[in-house]
Amino acid sequence: EVQLVQSGAEVKQPGESLRISCMVSGNTFTNYWITWVRQLPGQGLEWMGRIDPTDSYTNYNPSFQGHVSFSSDMSITTTYLQWSSVRASDTAMYYCARSTMVSDALDIWGQGTMVIVSS
Amino acid sequence: EIVMTQSPATLSVSPGERATLSCRASQSVRSNLAWYQQKPGQAPRLLIHGASTRASGIPARFSGSGSGTEFTLTITSLQSEDFAVYYCQQYNNWPPRTFGQGTKVEVK
Repeated sequence: EVQLVQSGAEVKQPGESLRISCMVSGNTFTNYWITWVRQLPGQGLEWMGRIDPTDSYTNYNPSFQGHVSFSSDMSITTTYLQWSSVRASDTAMYYCARSTMVSDALDIWGQGTMVIVSS
Repeated sequence: EIVMTQSPATLSVSPGERATLSCRASQSVRSNLAWYQQKPGQAPRLLIHGASTRASGIPARFSGSGSGTEFTLTITSLQSEDFAVYYCQQYNNWPPRTFGQGTKVEVK
């Protein structure tokens, strides 16, 4: 059974760097995209972008491009979402989710990582 | 960017009744449309992909229809566990893939 396991909650101050992770277990790491989705408190879902873990090819939502980056380490079947400088408006729940190369529907989701940015 | 508009924002339904949720795309997304269910404190769950194909393990009371710009999610005979927020998402055009704003299905 494929599972996506995300890293734990984070509390950061504005301006700090941050990296959260999403580990894929139970199946091959190939032939899938990993997508990152943001959910602001009490709000809907926002597609941030996706990464092909095998070659780190990425597609970013223009609304997030330049503020976040995705990376991947195939040796530990883990992808990352990172910020060089977080801000208060980054406070949200972040989900990773898998989609196949055939259909981009998000069929398996991680449990979410809560990020709080506060001074 | 394709804008996905869901209606209504909130749907009040009694257990055992039918719920009909709508999703409209600002331009054609063909059949590249998914529906997700999200319960409080949980990650979303894929219900429907390809506009009408139920995901693995999804009960038959959930059905999707439509293509192009107009889509419908129907839940026949609502169960207690079906009260949740439902999102549609297009994956025909990018960037970005886009979600609707959600429809909350609540107990009447």
